[in-house]
Amino acid sequence: TQLLEQSPQFLSIQEGENLTVYCNSSSVFSSLQWYRQEPGEGPVLLVTVVTGGEVKKLKRLTFQFGDARKDSSLHITAAQPGDTGLYLCAGETSGSRLTFGEGTQLTVNP
Amino acid sequence: ETGVTQTPRHLVMGMTNKKSLKCEQHLGHNAMYWYKQSAKKPLELMFVYSLEERVENNSVPSRFSPECPNSSHLFLHLHTLQPEDSALYLCASSLERSYEQYFGPGTRLTVT
Repeated sequence: TQLLEQSPQFLSIQEGENLTVYCNSSSVFSSLQWYRQEPGEGPVLLVTVVTGGEVKKLKRLTFQFGDARKDSSLHITAAQPGDTGLYLCAGETSGSRLTFGEGTQLTVNP
Repeated sequence: ETGVTQTPRHLVMGMTNKKSLKCEQHLGHNAMYWYKQSAKKPLELMFVYSLEERVENNSVPSRFSPECPNSSHLFLHLHTLQPEDSALYLCASSLERSYEQYFGPGTRLTVT
């Protein structure tokens, strides 16, 4: 069973602060996706990373895929209240299967 | 209407009821999924349909019965559910299996 561990589980910060959340596994993934889910809604895809060591930027969000394709991180610069939500990582394994982590619940206070 | 839609958004049902959840995607995708999301647990994949054929069933109890009449529609038929089945049920679709899934808003199900 492939497991994805996300840390921290909960994070509460003030507007303007920087933060990093992590997604780790002992398994190798062919790709890894990050989603954000807001209360009462389904997850929304933010980014897909495919190549080991790949870095992608989406405005204030920076996503990195580990060199060995077993882990990933999401860094947010100058967080805003609109960034509040549940951040989920999902790894794709052989057989075209997605495995989701439990998520990091981020709260950005104004 | 665009994206992935789900109805109803909220459902309360007794253990002896029969109900159905509906999902519709307007993205031209050919794979559709049902997930269960419970508090403090990762999303649990329930069923996968690819080109209207069920390709994955992850040991889901028979009280959940999926149906995919065409590539745009997916149903989840529910009967004699248990209180522990209360959760957010999410539908998703993708162009190919697992690749970049697009989720609906979910149905919040409460079994009393």
